[in-house]
Amino acid sequence: AQSVAQPEDQVNVAEGNPLTVKCTYSVSGNPYLFWYVQYPNRGLQFLLKYITGDNLVKGSYGFEAEFNKSQTSFHLKKPSALVSDSALYFCAVRGRAAGNKLTFGGGTRVLVKP
Amino acid sequence: GAVVSQHPSWVICKSGTSVKIECRSLDFQATTMFWYRQFPKQSLMLMATSNEGSKATYEQGVEKDKFLINHASLTLSTLTVTSAHPEDSSFYICSARDPQPERTDTQYFGPGTRLTVL
Repeated sequence: AQSVAQPEDQVNVAEGNPLTVKCTYSVSGNPYLFWYVQYPNRGLQFLLKYITGDNLVKGSYGFEAEFNKSQTSFHLKKPSALVSDSALYFCAVRGRAAGNKLTFGGGTRVLVKP
Repeated sequence: GAVVSQHPSWVICKSGTSVKIECRSLDFQATTMFWYRQFPKQSLMLMATSNEGSKATYEQGVEKDKFLINHASLTLSTLTVTSAHPEDSSFYICSARDPQPERTDTQYFGPGTRLTVL
């Protein structure tokens, strides 16, 4: 079975400081990995994904994530956080076999303080 | 591109009534759509996979007679909560997988529907 762990329920960071949201996963074979962001009472917005190739993936709004196979991690990063980045962030994994479903982590709330 | 809409965005209904939620892919055709449920401060729980032209595949523990799913076209899937009860109150989110080769691995999510059953 595949699973995703987001060890931090909440991350607090000052505006302008680097932001990191942690994610580790477990899946058979090579994974598809995703990050989504959710604002209050809204659906999920796609930020970025790792499918293959370069381990450093760049996505929307200045976010990036690094795939680390040996550590089975896919941490989300942003060099300089904005107050508007305050939201709920979800990491998700899907195995490559046909019919595999997307499994989400529990979510990490990010609070960026001015 | 890859926009998914849901209607309504929120609904309040009386216990015992049925509520229909629509999920549409606006700029692509989706052979597969997904329905999720999200409780406050929790992650998304997959309820079912909706396949165009065939029966939906429900996750374990999800009552298929209570949560009716119809995927009648390549751009529309509906979720009907039948005989709703207060415990069905939740945030329901749909997603669709864009079959375009460069996007096919990505699910795009609708804005969600807040259901409150009185």
